[in-house]
Amino acid sequence: ETGVTQTPRHLVMGMTNKKSLKCEQHLGHNAMYWYKQSAKKPLELMFVYNFKEQTENNSVPSRFSPECPNSSHLFLHLHTLQPEDSALYLCASSQESTSAPYEQYFGPGTRLTVT
Amino acid sequence: GQNIDQPTEMTATEGAIVQINCTYQTSGFNGLFWYQQHAGEAPTFLSYNVLDGLEEKGRFSSFLSRSKGYSYLLLKELQMKDSASYLCAVVDSNYQLIWGAGTKLIIKP
Repeated sequence: ETGVTQTPRHLVMGMTNKKSLKCEQHLGHNAMYWYKQSAKKPLELMFVYNFKEQTENNSVPSRFSPECPNSSHLFLHLHTLQPEDSALYLCASSQESTSAPYEQYFGPGTRLTVT
Repeated sequence: GQNIDQPTEMTATEGAIVQINCTYQTSGFNGLFWYQQHAGEAPTFLSYNVLDGLEEKGRFSSFLSRSKGYSYLLLKELQMKDSASYLCAVVDSNYQLIWGAGTKLIIKP
């Protein structure tokens, strides 16, 4: 148990569906992240929120839409996905500091399959 | 470009020692992390190195050489539960984490 929870753990959706992934952190951290993890590839950073403000958007397609209503919750809204979007989506949080790098705490991920 | 290299897969025997290497080329360096990820689970923090040398933490040790752009994770007295993927990540000059693809470690009895 890392203090970061994600729901659902597994999701199968068609290309025309709309779904949302949810992440919640119970650690009091000020930064939250969405990553995509595909087999045998490095973790791909998708979005970063710091103090609820989006500070990073790594050229992610618009069919992925993040939302951060407060510093403890993060959503990833999905619509009209493609089969190549099938992957493990990981949420992470950290206590960001300007003086030192920060350890990230990860949730267990949502295994997404797009059919 | 920025690049992290680590072996895709390694196999070792229970009770033995294994060294997982990580080499990096990044724009600046502000530290290196190692994470462990069991199949279907979240990555969890193992170690952080920012200065050259060896950091020991129980059965796990992590080494860094900044001049060589090189780190390794050393696992001693291997146990079956150490079967997992080990992820190397470097913090660049913008404090962004650059991730390697991970090394899958298989432990055999």
